[in-house]
Amino acid sequence: SQQGEEDPQALSIQEGENATMNCSYKTSINNLQWYRQNSGRGLVHLILIRSNEREKHSGRLRVTLDTSKKSSSLLITASRAADTASYFCATDERDYKLSFGAGTTVTVRA
Amino acid sequence: EPEVTQTPSHQVTQMGQEVILRCVPISNHLYFYWYRQILGQKVEFLVSFYNNEISEKSEIFDDQFSVERPDGSNFTLKIRSTKLEDSAMYFCASSLPRGSYEQYFGPGTRLTVT
Repeated sequence: SQQGEEDPQALSIQEGENATMNCSYKTSINNLQWYRQNSGRGLVHLILIRSNEREKHSGRLRVTLDTSKKSSSLLITASRAADTASYFCATDERDYKLSFGAGTTVTVRA
Repeated sequence: EPEVTQTPSHQVTQMGQEVILRCVPISNHLYFYWYRQILGQKVEFLVSFYNNEISEKSEIFDDQFSVERPDGSNFTLKIRSTKLEDSAMYFCASSLPRGSYEQYFGPGTRLTVT
């Protein structure tokens, strides 16, 4: 089944540094979405990139998509303590369901 | 900003009991979803719902599960006879019609089956 898999599993960085995490998936997609989840809380939608897009920006977030490699990356620039969370990619084969990866846990040290 | 809401935030029930988890999707959204996340595991798709019927369901969504939109605002997930392995965080999500694919998630209901 379609699944995104994030890499690395965990990331620890200093405040102000950039954080990069990657997502790989298996088959063709309509779009790929990134979500953030603070510990024990709900999923917050960050950004969606469509299969015909290569790069997208939203504030301090930059997402790339390489459909030939079936991979995506999420870059958080100038990280803050509030960015500490788990980040998930979710792939959408059709309109009706998302397949989530296991996530990257990001810890931003003050 | 409009958001998806879910009640209750935490539900404790005994094995074999029925539970109903409630969600109020964003008002102009037409697609509704349930996902679950067992502690420490991935978020898993359960079911999608559009135009008062199930669009797609996963293998997890067996006969013990059902969904309903009883009125114009609520979207419910019923588990008829809960099992210990149903313990998880259940998330409701909603999205606009085709052409806009972002799914917006509620804060979740933590279901604990004892």
